[in-house]
Amino acid sequence: GESVGLHLPTLSVQEGDNSIINCAYSNSASDYFIWYKQESGKGPQFIIDIRSNMDKRQGQRVTVLLNKTVKHLSLQIAATQPGDSAVYFCAENRPTDSWGKFQFGAGTQVVVTP
Amino acid sequence: EAGVTQSPTHLIKTRGQQATLRCSPISGHTSVYWYQQALGLGLQFLLWYDEGEERNRGNFPPRFSGRQFPNYSSELNVNALELEDSALYLCASRNPGTSGTNTGELFFGEGSRLTVL
Repeated sequence: GESVGLHLPTLSVQEGDNSIINCAYSNSASDYFIWYKQESGKGPQFIIDIRSNMDKRQGQRVTVLLNKTVKHLSLQIAATQPGDSAVYFCAENRPTDSWGKFQFGAGTQVVVTP
Repeated sequence: EAGVTQSPTHLIKTRGQQATLRCSPISGHTSVYWYQQALGLGLQFLLWYDEGEERNRGNFPPRFSGRQFPNYSSELNVNALELEDSALYLCASRNPGTSGTNTGELFFGEGSRLTVL
């Protein structure tokens, strides 16, 4: 069936390096994508979003890239810090779904090592 | 400003019992969403309430229900509990009047951990 999924369940990154978290989606009709970060014991926190009419969007230390040709989404974190250790979820909103009814992927655990 | 608050933090029930989880949204937020997060899995959309009405529900059986009160707080009820209902239940809120479809930012609480024995 159609789903949002992640390539790597765990990503180990050295402090100061850049992180790249990947996400594949299969519903070509999806027109909005969002990344959330969930630290241990906390609820998910919004990071950045992108619409399907864009291929790149930058935030503070984060960049989201969207490749609609291969239905691929990535989150890049520059100069990864210990506070970036968390589970990262990508999510999509399909035009047929209500706003806020997001389809979440299973998540990628990012571990930042000193 | 207080964030989304959920109670209880932890809840232990046995099969067949009922569970009630509560959520207080951020002040001014009229939309409340409920998501289920089973261990090791992503978030699964459960319910969406806005202005006291159920606006949409996910692919969950009818024994998952809820309501939204006039003060916009919300309850999630799970009847006839099954072992697979064990999960973290997350509540999120937003103000569609100001956010519209400009952003999908939902403000999540820390969740209620339900364990069914």
